[in-house]
Amino acid sequence: DTEVTQTPKHLVMGMTNKKSLKCEQHMGHRAMYWYKQKAKKPPELMFVYSYEKLSINESVPSRFSPECPNSSLLNLHLHALQPEDSALYLCASSRTPDNEQFFGPGTRLTVL
Amino acid sequence: LAKTTQPISMDSYEGQEVNITCSHNNIATNDYITWYQQFPSQGPRFIIQGYKTKVTNEVASLFIPADRKSSTLSLPRVSLSDTAVYYCLVGDTPNRDDKIIFGKGTRLHILP
Repeated sequence: DTEVTQTPKHLVMGMTNKKSLKCEQHMGHRAMYWYKQKAKKPPELMFVYSYEKLSINESVPSRFSPECPNSSLLNLHLHALQPEDSALYLCASSRTPDNEQFFGPGTRLTVL
Repeated sequence: LAKTTQPISMDSYEGQEVNITCSHNNIATNDYITWYQQFPSQGPRFIIQGYKTKVTNEVASLFIPADRKSSTLSLPRVSLSDTAVYYCLVGDTPNRDDKIIFGKGTRLHILP
C-alpha cells in the first residue's frame, strides 16, 4: 500500500458542529502532517507529528485539534469553526521528517 | 527561513522542454531543494529533490548551480497532462527550526 488516504472527501459543517478528519497510511512512515490550502494558494503547514509526537504546531487556533493515535493514523478534530476555515485540508506522510512527503487527496471542508 | 521566488505562470507547447527556475538567495547550508507538482483538487506530488549540481529521475531533472541560490526544474517533452502548479521548496527537516514552506508556485499551462 503506497498511498495516503483521507476521509471524508467532502464535509459540510455548521459553526457549532464537532467533526473529525481522518488520515491513514500503511507505508511505515513515521512523520505525518496536516496542511490547509485555500483556493489558488499554496498549502500552509498546520501540524507535524514525528514518531507519534506533536513536533510543530504552526500557531493554529485551538478550534483545530490534532491527534495521532498510532503511527498509521492522524486525526484532525474540528470544533466551532468559522466560515473562513473553509478550505482543502491535506494530510501527508514521510518516512522520516527528512524525507519527501506523500500527500493524500484532501478533504474539502465547507463551514456554513 | 529560506524564501523562494518563482514565476507566477508559464505557457508552453506539447513536446517542448520546460524549465522553471526558482530563486532562493538565503538558502542555508543544510537546506535541500524539493519540487512538488499539484493538479486541481489533489494533493501535491513529489517530483524531485536535490542538494547540489544535477539530479535526474524518470520524470524531471533538477539543476543547481554551485552557489545554490537558484535551481531549475526541467521537464522534458511536456504533454497536456503536465498542466499543473509546480512548487519549489527549500528547507531542512520540519522537526527543527527550519521547516519546509510552500512558496506561491508556478502555474504551468501546456498548449496543444
